Amino acid sequence: EAQVTQNPRYLITVTGKKLTVTCSQNMNHEYMSWYRQDPGLGLRQIYYSMNVEVTDKGDVPEGYKVSRKEKRNFPLILESPSPNQTSLYFCASREGAGGANVLTFGAGSRLTVL
Amino acid sequence: DAKTTQPTSMDCAEGRAANLPCNHSTISGNEYVYWYRQIHSQGPQYIIHGLKNNETNEMASLIITEDRKSSTLILPHATLRDTAVYYCIVRASLNSGYSTLTFGKGTMLLVSP
Repeated sequence: EAQVTQNPRYLITVTGKKLTVTCSQNMNHEYMSWYRQDPGLGLRQIYYSMNVEVTDKGDVPEGYKVSRKEKRNFPLILESPSPNQTSLYFCASREGAGGANVLTFGAGSRLTVL
Repeated sequence: DAKTTQPTSMDCAEGRAANLPCNHSTISGNEYVYWYRQIHSQGPQYIIHGLKNNETNEMASLIITEDRKSSTLILPHATLRDTAVYYCIVRASLNSGYSTLTFGKGTMLLVSP
């Protein structure tokens, strides 16, 4: 089944404790992206990647890092999480440039930073 | 990007057609209309997209006015599982590279028994 898999689905952590949210897709998609969703603010893009070793900032990149060493994986790294990063996170992927803007989303990762 | 305007919320009776409107009066010639939906706290799901012709797939129909300034997403026989937030997004598609989809607030559709 074509899908985007995120882990963990739920995580409670404390301020300053580094964490990584993994994202993997099995569709051989070139483009991958991370969004966060907060009440009243909608979905906002954090980072995106157009291909292996190519990443770029989205609208709200502060406090986050990403890497794209393999085509299928696009982990989101919070080096020193803070309470304002408590949010619902979604990873998404799509085909390469020239195709339709059809994103496939993961099920989401709910992160709480105390 | 063209800005879209959608009603905040709509109600629909189960089994009836749900017609969700979207205004995009500043749409340009190469911009497509996309519809996604998000069931509570799940990942958004692609529904349909179109340029100027009406489109239909197994999930829904998309009707775009001739001047392309508005469109309507039609769920022909709404079920309780169609209760979700529906996002109308306008964005250039083919040959536009990796253009980001910007999700607004959408329309909360509540389907009732």
